Amino acid sequence: AQSVTQLGSHVSVSEGALVLLRCNYSSSVPPYLFWYVQYPNQGLQLLLKYTTGATLVKGINGFEAEFKKSETSFHLTKPSAHMSDAAEYFCAVAKGGYGNKLVFGAGTILRVKS
Amino acid sequence: GAVVSQHPSRVICKSGTSVKIECRSLDFQATTMFWYRQFPKQSLMLMATSNEGSKATYEQGVEKDKFLINHASLTLSTLTVTSAHPEDSSFYICSARAGGRGTGELFFGEGSRLTVL
Repeated sequence: AQSVTQLGSHVSVSEGALVLLRCNYSSSVPPYLFWYVQYPNQGLQLLLKYTTGATLVKGINGFEAEFKKSETSFHLTKPSAHMSDAAEYFCAVAKGGYGNKLVFGAGTILRVKS
Repeated sequence: GAVVSQHPSRVICKSGTSVKIECRSLDFQATTMFWYRQFPKQSLMLMATSNEGSKATYEQGVEKDKFLINHASLTLSTLTVTSAHPEDSSFYICSARAGGRGTGELFFGEGSRLTVL
């Protein structure tokens, strides 16, 4: 069975600082992993995804994530936070293969201080 | 990217009434759509998988008679909350798969906020 754990329900960084949002997964099969961003009262927007191949995945808005099988992790990073990055971020794993239903982590609210 | 639209974005109804939420894929055909529910300050919980032309598959603990799902065409799935009660108040989000299983990316709607008085 697949599951996702996001460490830290709230993360606060200063504008211009490194953003690190942690995600660990559990999967009995090779995982397909995703990061989504959600702004208040809106749906989800895909930031990036890992399917196969290169373990360092680059996404939109300067975000990237690295798939580390040995650590069962897929942490999301951005070198320099911007005020517009303030939102809630969800890590997810596809249950039953790519394109199938997603199992989401609990979410991490990112706050960016000026 | 592909667009998925939900309607209405917000709905307020009285207890005991039924509410229908639509999920449309605007520029692609979606044989499969997923319905999620999100409580305030919580994550998304999968409710059901909606397959075009067949019955929906519900997750454990989701009442199928309470949450009726109809996927009548390749671009439209509907979720009807029947005899709504205040505890059904939530943010409902759909996602649609472009392409078949194993190849298709999921695209999410903007969500529909239901408030039951």
